[in-house]
Amino acid sequence: EIVMTQSPATLSVSPGERVTLSCRASQSVSSTLAWYQQKPGQAPRLLVYGAFTRATGIPARFSGSGFGTEFTLTISSLQSEDFAVYYCQQYNDWPRTFGQGTRVEIK
Amino acid sequence: QVQLVQSGAEVKKPGASVKISCEASGYSFTTYSMNWVRQAPGQGFEWMGIIDPSDANTTYAQKFQGRLIMARDTSTRTVSMELSGLTSDDTAVYYCARAGLGYCSGSNCYTPLGYWGQGSLVTVSS
Repeated sequence: EIVMTQSPATLSVSPGERVTLSCRASQSVSSTLAWYQQKPGQAPRLLVYGAFTRATGIPARFSGSGFGTEFTLTISSLQSEDFAVYYCQQYNDWPRTFGQGTRVEIK
Repeated sequence: QVQLVQSGAEVKKPGASVKISCEASGYSFTTYSMNWVRQAPGQGFEWMGIIDPSDANTTYAQKFQGRLIMARDTSTRTVSMELSGLTSDDTAVYYCARAGLGYCSGSNCYTPLGYWGQGSLVTVSS
């Protein structure tokens, strides 16, 4: 199965800062890569799919990039509501697999 | 709007089975596949399988082959997931997640998890 590796595990940032999260696939997944946000006690929310397409209603400060095995989620100016755990997921092959998550916490 | 409403929390003994339902509304039920994903306490996500409500075709993760059954009922717009042979390792929150926008190439479709249910906690304990 395709192993997804996210880095870093935790990011401590201040509101207003720019944040870059990384996701690496153990083999190419083309552009079939999604990013999700999960807050405590909630179900995840789709942020980005197709590596760079924002889901409906997602603010423009979230942007995705990458292709193949290297992907990035960037939050241009972190807002208070953005403190959460972020997961990448590939949907190119079975089984679908997730990264272990990056926690974005308040510095 | 798309809504996925799951059944409630369950407590099961080791060796038992659990069945969770997911009622869909706000979209054409047979147009989008439904995934099941679980999250153990404090852990990440594990994809379990997917069902196409139009024909009940399923694909399961190999890890769950033989003890996982997914089904759908088009009359009630409900998908269900039954997991048997429970152990403490199956303690988790189970989510249904509808396919989002993607594309199909031949018989293969590539879709993210666009909409999620609220989750159903399953606790396995003796």
